[in-house]
Amino acid sequence: QQQVKQSPQSLIVQKGGIPIINCAYENTAFDYFPWYQQFPGKGPALLIAIRPDVSEKKEGRFTISFNKSAKQFSLHIMDSQPGDSATYFCAARLGAASKLTFGTGTRLQVTL
Amino acid sequence: EPEVTQTPSHQVTQMGQEVILRCVPISNHLYFYWYRQILGQKVEFLVSFYNNEISEKSEIFDDQFSVERPDGSNFTLKIRSTKLEDSAMYFCASSLQGGSSYNSPLHFGNGTRLTVT
Repeated sequence: QQQVKQSPQSLIVQKGGIPIINCAYENTAFDYFPWYQQFPGKGPALLIAIRPDVSEKKEGRFTISFNKSAKQFSLHIMDSQPGDSATYFCAARLGAASKLTFGTGTRLQVTL
Repeated sequence: EPEVTQTPSHQVTQMGQEVILRCVPISNHLYFYWYRQILGQKVEFLVSFYNNEISEKSEIFDDQFSVERPDGSNFTLKIRSTKLEDSAMYFCASSLQGGSSYNSPLHFGNGTRLTVT
């Protein structure tokens, strides 16, 4: 019940395309859902985050869509660029002061 | 921009040996964490630390693991007797407040790759 399921495992899109990465959770007590971006040899870095009382959050080219009833949330990357090629992790937090539970990651490759 | 620094970047050790992984969190942060990532797999929580004591730990964090903040700047993870399955990337993270939030996100270091042979 603490798991966060992420798909797809990998994704290849052309430059300018809109990759979509999906995550699903079971525990309705999760109260904060961040997305992290990780480049090879680096630690994960916070990209964007959302609370469950909001259905959409947009920051620049990155958008989170949140469907509370379906217990799903997704990351959309508008006008994707080769520099967006990285591994993306969704995560969820179970209450204030609690740890993050990460999804299994999606390796995104944006080709020219 | 302040960052979390970890040393060494890569550590190779023999099974059964003790290793200490070192981290310098962001200076004004109060909460410290260790996560690990086995190659190609998800990032897993190990332990959180606040006010000089463990605030939460996972089932992975057994008696072979310990954490310490020996001075005002360093935060260490010790593995007493390493096993082959401890081979992973270990990430230190810190935050100003507990639990990670909009106002106090987790900041991760670049990790220490531990290889146990």
